[in-house]
Amino acid sequence: AQTVTQSQPEMSVQEAETVTLSCTYDTSENNYYLFWYKQPPSRQMILVIRQEAYKQQNATENRFSVNFQKAAKSFSLKISDSQLGDTAMYFCALSSGGQGAQKLVFGQGTRLTINP
Amino acid sequence: DTGVSQDPRHKITKRGQNVTFRCDPISEHNRLYWYRQTLGQGPEFLTYFQNEAQLEKSRLLSDRFSAERPKGSFSTLEIQRTEQGDSAMYLCASSPWDRGYYGYTFGSGTRLTVV
Repeated sequence: AQTVTQSQPEMSVQEAETVTLSCTYDTSENNYYLFWYKQPPSRQMILVIRQEAYKQQNATENRFSVNFQKAAKSFSLKISDSQLGDTAMYFCALSSGGQGAQKLVFGQGTRLTINP
Repeated sequence: DTGVSQDPRHKITKRGQNVTFRCDPISEHNRLYWYRQTLGQGPEFLTYFQNEAQLEKSRLLSDRFSAERPKGSFSTLEIQRTEQGDSAMYLCASSPWDRGYYGYTFGSGTRLTVV
């Protein structure tokens, strides 16, 4: 079975600071994908960043980057220069490969608050 | 392309009643997924379709739950004899069959409250 664990239920930082959200996972698959999703209050879930397990290079999307440690099964999200609009629930998710990713397994989420 | 649409946004029902939710995926997306999210938790997989075929169902999908995608376009999720434990956000998502690894597009969800 695949599992995803987010050990930080809540985090809070000041605007413009850098924050790192933790995620660990477990899977027996060799071909899998990892995602971070953002869910703002009362709004739909949005993909923030994705990582293919077979790629060693860490993914980066503007202010968002990941630290992917395959051997440790760790996939943390770093948000640089945090903004008020980054306030949201953040979910780490795992999907096995094959013909397109299939079901996603989500972590419990981290509620991130950016304070002015 | 208007994204993934879900209807209704909110539904309050009495225990024991049947409810049906609808999801309209992005038109060119072959795969459609249903997830359930309870308060303070991450979404849990319920089922997914490739075109009109239901390819996988979670154990969470008890015999009171049924999902259909009759023409490979929109999908419906029906819950019969609702229970208070069914109160949750029901999320729909879609993806192209061969590019799901780029991530899904989620709808805004249907929030169900069973009283």
